[in-house]
Amino acid sequence: AQKVTQAQTEISVVEKEDVTLDCVYETRDTTYYLFWYKQPPSGELVFLIRRNSFDEQNEISGRYSWNFQKSTSSFNFTITASQVVDSAVYFCARRGNNDMRFGAGTRLTVKP
Amino acid sequence: DVKVTQSSRYLVKRTGEKVFLECVQDMDHENMFWYRQDPGLGLRLIYFSYDVKMKEKGDIPEGYSVSREKKERFSLILESASTNQTSMYLCASIILPGQGNTEAFFGQGTRLTVV
Repeated sequence: AQKVTQAQTEISVVEKEDVTLDCVYETRDTTYYLFWYKQPPSGELVFLIRRNSFDEQNEISGRYSWNFQKSTSSFNFTITASQVVDSAVYFCARRGNNDMRFGAGTRLTVKP
Repeated sequence: DVKVTQSSRYLVKRTGEKVFLECVQDMDHENMFWYRQDPGLGLRLIYFSYDVKMKEKGDIPEGYSVSREKKERFSLILESASTNQTSMYLCASIILPGQGNTEAFFGQGTRLTVV
């Protein structure tokens, strides 16, 4: 299987700290797509970002930023000035031709 | 408003029962997926489908089968439910690659308890 690895099981930070969630993927596909989803305590999966394999531009959206590096097969997610509402489980995913696989998730706790 | 609908939010079944989990999407998506979510293990892919009657095994297909007779419906079948299949089951659908930029849409999940 073409795995997605999120090595950080749990991270705890204090509000206003910056935090980076790591994601490393395996793929045999030439074209693929990478995603980040957020799962708050309510349980629904919230889409955050999608990246195509041929677009390595980093992206910033408010306090969120993503760093895609094809050379290291990584797609890391940084939250700047974290807030309590950022507390959730975050999933990274890779979509190939027809499959879509997720990592095990990183549980982020932001303390006031 | 796009939707993926799973037939049940909560289910309790007995060991050995045959269990059907239904998923319907109204977005005309070709790709559909079944995952199970367990604490610390993330979303693990059970089966996926990319067309009517087409299916492929994911990473944990043992004890499961699927059916895709119509484009909008993707069913997960537990042939003989066991207690280790107690889990949250999530269905998702997505457009085919290259047909547009979009994310996977998820159902609300079915929490299955096998007793």
